[in-house]
Formats: sequence, C-alpha cells, structure tokens
Amino acid sequence: SSELTQDPAVSVALGQTVRITCQGDSLRSYFASWYQQKPGQAPVLVIYGKNNRPSGIPDRFSGSSSGNTASLTITGAQAEDEADYYCNSRDSSGNHLVFGGGTKLTVL
Amino acid sequence: QITLKESGPTLVKPTQTLTLTCTFSGFSLSSSGVGVGWIRQPPGKALEWLALIYWDDDKRYRPSLKSRLTITKDTSKNQVVLTMTNMDPVDTATYHCAHVRLEDYEGNYYYYMDVWGKGTTVTVSS
Repeated sequence: SSELTQDPAVSVALGQTVRITCQGDSLRSYFASWYQQKPGQAPVLVIYGKNNRPSGIPDRFSGSSSGNTASLTITGAQAEDEADYYCNSRDSSGNHLVFGGGTKLTVL
Repeated sequence: QITLKESGPTLVKPTQTLTLTCTFSGFSLSSSGVGVGWIRQPPGKALEWLALIYWDDDKRYRPSLKSRLTITKDTSKNQVVLTMTNMDPVDTATYHCAHVRLEDYEGNYYYYMDVWGKGTTVTVSS
C-alpha cells in the first residue's frame, strides 16, 4: 500500500478549476512533486518544491500544501489536461521515495 | 538538453536476473545534488519508485524490494545499471529511469524527477 493517498478519479468541466489532492504523514515534513502522464507516454513533471513549474508547463498549474495534504490545482482546465496525475515525495522515514496511487482526471 | 534512455531485455524467465541500463546525456552524475532513479509501472497500474543513486554514490532502494535490487553507476560511461534478481511475473512492467534533483528550501531537502526516459517494457514469462 502507498504512503501517499490520492483519489482514484476526478472530473472537471472544461475551463473550470480542479484540485487534485495527495495525503500522507510525510507531507507534513517534505514537499511533493507532481507528474502528468498521458496514455502510452512517460510521466512529465508539472510541479515541484514549494510551488515551482518547469519550463514549458502552463501557469494554470499550481501547487500548495497544508498539513498532511499536498494539492495540485489546475485553473481553467483544458482538454489536453486530461491525464493521470501522480504525487511523489519522501516516505515517512525520509530515506526513500514514494508515489501516490494516481488520479485520473477527466475533462468534460 | 538532458536525455535518458533505458535498454535491456524485453522478455525474461521467472527466477532470472534482470539487468537494465540507463544511458544519459546532458548532465554529470558527479555533480552535487544530482541522481538517477528507476521507476516502474505495471500494466494499468500506478508508478512505483524502485531505486535511486546519488552523485556521491549513496544508494536508496524500495524497502520491499531491497534484497533483490542493486543500482550502480559508471560516471565515465554516463550509465546507471539496475539489476533485479529472482524475477517473477508480477515484475512485468515498463521500467523508466529519470534524472533526479535534490534541492534545499529553508532546510527542507526535497527531490524531483525532471526528465524521464521513455521506458522499456519487460515481460516476465516462461
């Protein structure tokens, strides 16, 4: 079982805002990073650190954290944002990495 | 530009040892704060972190697989090798390597994988 918990599926209407969450005790101490994965493709980093976007990631993607929960927010979701999203962080020992179970985002 | 590419067998038999190579360019694994990680994804399932090797040769393994995994680096060849012993059909997956950065924010050290290889699919079957 994963030490990071994500909702299996979330949907959002085109152009609306959606928040994808990741829960885990280690998130009280460590930042999460977020990855977007489309079918048949390798994951792509979308958010890391406190709230950083790699070059080329649209500014509609943002990250935040509170307590044991990290969140990825997409403000004004687009059809191309439909994908699986994974959070990643250190585990509760701090010595290893762990992924959440992933959230399938559907854009309606 | 950082690139990584995985290579290795596409089919292995149960109980055999899998050896995967990650060949990279655009960075040095001797640079502080840099690592290479391995991540796998069984068909239709979530990503699983497997192992990580740092610039200083520190190594970390997924606890549940630690006894089966070995990660090494050859800085001169720009390669990282992952071996997994005693392969089982449940190990069937796409295996990715990724460039890992370790950074500090006010004393909070965090990791992220900013560039991934496309992955190599490994099937375990007799």
